[in-house]
Amino acid sequence: EDKVVQSPLSLVVHEGDTVTLNCSYEVTNFRSLLWYKQEKKAPTFLFMLTSSGIEKKSGRLSSILDKKELFSILNITATQTGDSAIYLCAVGGWGETSGSRLTFGEGTQLTVNP
Amino acid sequence: DTAVSQTPKYLVTQMGNDKSIKCEQNLGHDTMYWYKQDSKKFLKIMFSYNNKELIINETVPNRFSPKSPDKAHLNLHINSLELGDSAVYFCASSWGLAVSYNEQFFGPGTRLTVL
Repeated sequence: EDKVVQSPLSLVVHEGDTVTLNCSYEVTNFRSLLWYKQEKKAPTFLFMLTSSGIEKKSGRLSSILDKKELFSILNITATQTGDSAIYLCAVGGWGETSGSRLTFGEGTQLTVNP
Repeated sequence: DTAVSQTPKYLVTQMGNDKSIKCEQNLGHDTMYWYKQDSKKFLKIMFSYNNKELIINETVPNRFSPKSPDKAHLNLHINSLELGDSAVYFCASSWGLAVSYNEQFFGPGTRLTVL
């Protein structure tokens, strides 16, 4: 069974701090790893990573995947109160139906205080 | 707007009732999903349909029955509601199985409260 473990489960920081969120996984025939941000409602897509060692970047957020060690990190620099959210990591595997299946981790609840 | 939409957004009902949640996507996707997010925020897949065909059916009580009248719609009917069914239910959609990537787009969620 596919498994995704995120750490820490919750994190409280001050504005301006840099945070690193971790995601480790076990999946049959890895296809992709995705990061989502969930504020009050629907998860919104941040990044998708398929290749090892290539950093994806969007503004203050960046993510990298290590397929050998089976983990990914999400970095947020110069945090703002608007970054407060649950960050979800999900992995998808290849296969007849598993190609469309994402397995989610429990999420990291990030709180950024002013 | 192109999006995944769900109705209703909130549903409060008594134990034992039967209720339905509807989902529509106008992104042209082939695959749609139902997820349940419990109070611990864990997002778990329940069902997935590809072109109206059921392809994922997790260990979900058979009181839950999905129906996909066409590839743009996926509804969820729940019979004999129980307290433990209280959760947020998310609909999502993505491109079909043949496409390389499996990014999923989520609807706004339906918060179900069973009293």
